[in-house]
Amino acid sequence: GAVVSQHPSRVICKSGTSVKIECRSLDFQATTMFWYRQFPKQSLMLMATSNEGSKATYEQGVEKDKFLINHASLTLSTLTVTSAHPEDSSFYICSASHGTSGSSRGEQYFGPGTRLTVT
Amino acid sequence: GEDVEQSLFLSVREGDSSVINCTYTDSSSTYLYWYKQEPGAGLQLLTYIFSNMDMKQDQRLTVLLNKKDKHLSLRIADTQTGDSAIYFCAESNGYNKLIFGAGTRLAVHP
Repeated sequence: GAVVSQHPSRVICKSGTSVKIECRSLDFQATTMFWYRQFPKQSLMLMATSNEGSKATYEQGVEKDKFLINHASLTLSTLTVTSAHPEDSSFYICSASHGTSGSSRGEQYFGPGTRLTVT
Repeated sequence: GEDVEQSLFLSVREGDSSVINCTYTDSSSTYLYWYKQEPGAGLQLLTYIFSNMDMKQDQRLTVLLNKKDKHLSLRIADTQTGDSAIYFCAESNGYNKLIFGAGTRLAVHP
């Protein structure tokens, strides 16, 4: 149980275009979803936290107009990278939690990641 | 602010035990986690420990927590080549947000 999928697993796009990444919880309802960015050989950097039906909370330094997050249902969140530039190339990982703030363990289940390359 | 630190690399011989260490700064940490990441993949939760515990064992994995020193370790007994991966330590204050360390790359050689 607690499986999270991401689509696509790998995408190459041209500079200036937008790309959408989907994150789905397959066998549970995800009250909260998280989007992380991981640079090569580095840790995960939390970009934003989204709760179903409300606006995402972005971490300091993350441009909300560039990284659009939508959490329209309890099983789906999307991250859209708008007007992509080569420096946006990275590994994007989502995670999902079926707890709310202050829940017992705050356990997150991670997707397999999406490798974005902007040319 | 919150910070989690790990050594970056560990090399062990197959069959030996591996010990990966982690230190954190947030004294309000409620849960501490160990995640495993294989190349090109997402993170897999290996184990976690609640902050009022000193030790937790799960098959080949033993987690030790020294809350006074804010030190966490993961011991993998009888390390196998399939254990080669990056291991991330993470802490949470119970409000879902995870703070990750930089990850320790474990290399297992024959």
